[in-house]
Amino acid sequence: GIQVEQSPPDLILQEGANSTLRCNFSDSVNNLQWFHQNPWGQLINLFYIPSGTKQNGRLSATTVATERYSLLYISSSQTTDSGVYFCAVGPRLDQGGSEKLVFGKGTKLTVNP
Amino acid sequence: DSGVTQTPKHLITATGQRVTLRCSPRSGDLSVYWYQQSLDQGLQFLIQYYNGEERAKGNILERFSAQQFPDLHSELNLSSLELGDSALYFCASSLNYRGNSPLHFGNGTRLTVT
Repeated sequence: GIQVEQSPPDLILQEGANSTLRCNFSDSVNNLQWFHQNPWGQLINLFYIPSGTKQNGRLSATTVATERYSLLYISSSQTTDSGVYFCAVGPRLDQGGSEKLVFGKGTKLTVNP
Repeated sequence: DSGVTQTPKHLITATGQRVTLRCSPRSGDLSVYWYQQSLDQGLQFLIQYYNGEERAKGNILERFSAQQFPDLHSELNLSSLELGDSALYFCASSLNYRGNSPLHFGNGTRLTVT
């Protein structure tokens, strides 16, 4: 099955710093999403981004599907950004659409005040 | 608030018992997914339903079963529980099954098997 690798596994920042999280995947995908799991365990959908670039406030994401990677940018980080960031991909189906999402192991982000 | 409702939030039970987890999808979403999150296995896909029909199956044990009802809510049944079944169980929903819409998660049910 498809492999999803996220880096770095752990990241510690001071408030106000910027960061880039990376997601590499091993096969063609029709679906790629980024999620944030906060310290209370809630999983929040950040982006649905199978290709291209999107921005939402201090967060932005870029997926280069042909090169099989996606990047999540966090600017001016805040303590509330702490948690685990997951990349999830849906392998492309021959008949169109994608299979179920496969999650990476995540990047644990800690933002210190 | 994702709009996906899961109950109960916490569940503590003994080995060998059976429990039922419930999920109501976001309004308008027809597809429901169940995921298990444990420390050693990460987020694992269990099963997907679309408009009442099973659509895809993942690493779901034979002791586990699920269904989606006509009102689109879903239930995950876990039986003959073992200590290793202790985990966070998430339900998620999306508009369809084709993987071209965002997935939204509920807050999860934390299951502890003692």
